[in-house]
Amino acid sequence: EPEVTQTPSHQVTQMGQEVILRCVPISNHLYFYWYRQILGQKVEFLVSFYNNEISEKSEIFDDQFSVERPDGSNFTLKIRSTKLEDSAMYFCASSEAKGTNEQFFGPGTRLTVL
Amino acid sequence: QKEVEQNSGPLSVPEGAIASLNCTYSDRGSQSFFWYRQYSGKSPELIMFIYSNGDKEDGRFTAQLNKASQYVSLLIRDSQPSDSATYLCAVSGGYQKVTFGTGTKLQVIP
Repeated sequence: EPEVTQTPSHQVTQMGQEVILRCVPISNHLYFYWYRQILGQKVEFLVSFYNNEISEKSEIFDDQFSVERPDGSNFTLKIRSTKLEDSAMYFCASSEAKGTNEQFFGPGTRLTVL
Repeated sequence: QKEVEQNSGPLSVPEGAIASLNCTYSDRGSQSFFWYRQYSGKSPELIMFIYSNGDKEDGRFTAQLNKASQYVSLLIRDSQPSDSATYLCAVSGGYQKVTFGTGTKLQVIP
């Protein structure tokens, strides 16, 4: 069964450093998303991406964040200068162009900012 | 602010019983409604989705939607210890973000 994959599973970084989180969405999906979940809190939407551009973003997704689809398979989230409060699980999700937006999540990347 | 509200629980049910999980949402424009299961330390796993008023059954799971009352529920029949997890209610307005509730923790007691 096709699935969303994410790398790395755990990323530890120093405050102020840049990190890139990588995702490979399900191959026939055209809508891509990033969510985050701070420990013990709810899953929060960051950004959606379609046709090589951002279609929606939340207030969390400020100028420190960017997304890119550098090739036909990868979808990346970059945090330019990490803060302590960026520590969270980051989930990538994807959905088909047809249908009703069932989003399938990857296993997540645990980001720890020291 | 679009909100999705759930009772955080924990909801404890004995093995073999029916677990009933409830959710309300604030945005009347919501079109798609989802139930995700999340085990501790894992990612959300889509288990049910519903778009029309009424009931939708899939195996031991039944999702119920009442758009007039802005209410979604999930019934789990013949609950098993492996069903113990946090159940996330989520809503979407289309090909947009999914807004999640805080989740209800379900404990199935053997």
